[in-house]
Amino acid sequence: VQLVESGGGLVPPGGSLRLSCAASGFTFPTYWMTWVRQAPGKGLDFVANIKPDGSDKYYVDSVKGRFTISRDNAKNSLYLQMHSLGAEDTAIYYCVRGVSDWGQGTLVTVSS
Amino acid sequence: EIVLTQSPGTLSLSPGERATLSCRASQSVGSNYLAWLQQKPGQAPRLLIYVASSRATGIPDRFSGSGSGTDFTLTISRLEPDDFAVYYCHQYFTSPWTFGQGTKVEIK
Repeated sequence: VQLVESGGGLVPPGGSLRLSCAASGFTFPTYWMTWVRQAPGKGLDFVANIKPDGSDKYYVDSVKGRFTISRDNAKNSLYLQMHSLGAEDTAIYYCVRGVSDWGQGTLVTVSS
Repeated sequence: EIVLTQSPGTLSLSPGERATLSCRASQSVGSNYLAWLQQKPGQAPRLLIYVASSRATGIPDRFSGSGSGTDFTLTISRLEPDDFAVYYCHQYFTSPWTFGQGTKVEIK
């Protein structure tokens, strides 16, 4: 199982960013996929998850209306589109398969 | 939302000692969908235990999980140097998933 996140970087407050997670080594279309984030020096926080067929999505309240989770099962890829970013969104964003496998994360820094 | 409270915040122990970590949920975790994760500095979390008491692949048997409903425990029978890390409990029964605030196991 391999999960490789990309798309992180430095973005100004109010900006947008799209994270990607390339999955391999398992049957991607059969798994719930999740984004979890970790602010510097802090604990783990659920961001969003998506059903295997993409029909159901759940978000933590703090990102509703700003973030959109999606997936492309043909490309074995998971995405997180983020808008209206604020300093509180600064974190490492992890892609998670089911509950068992975590990527290495991609760092998002929101700063002017 | 299910709130998970871990105790203690920090556990100071010596190699070879037994570690007992607690996780209490604000409401029952259905189907015991409670996991324990280990995280070392600069690394992603790693799954240790799922459905409260099942060890993940490759996890040594010195790690064990127990509990049900609202009270769960992770026990490390004899600490090895590699076990000093932060441990999180995590419920995946309902969305939003939630995590405990973590217990740091440090070398005494």
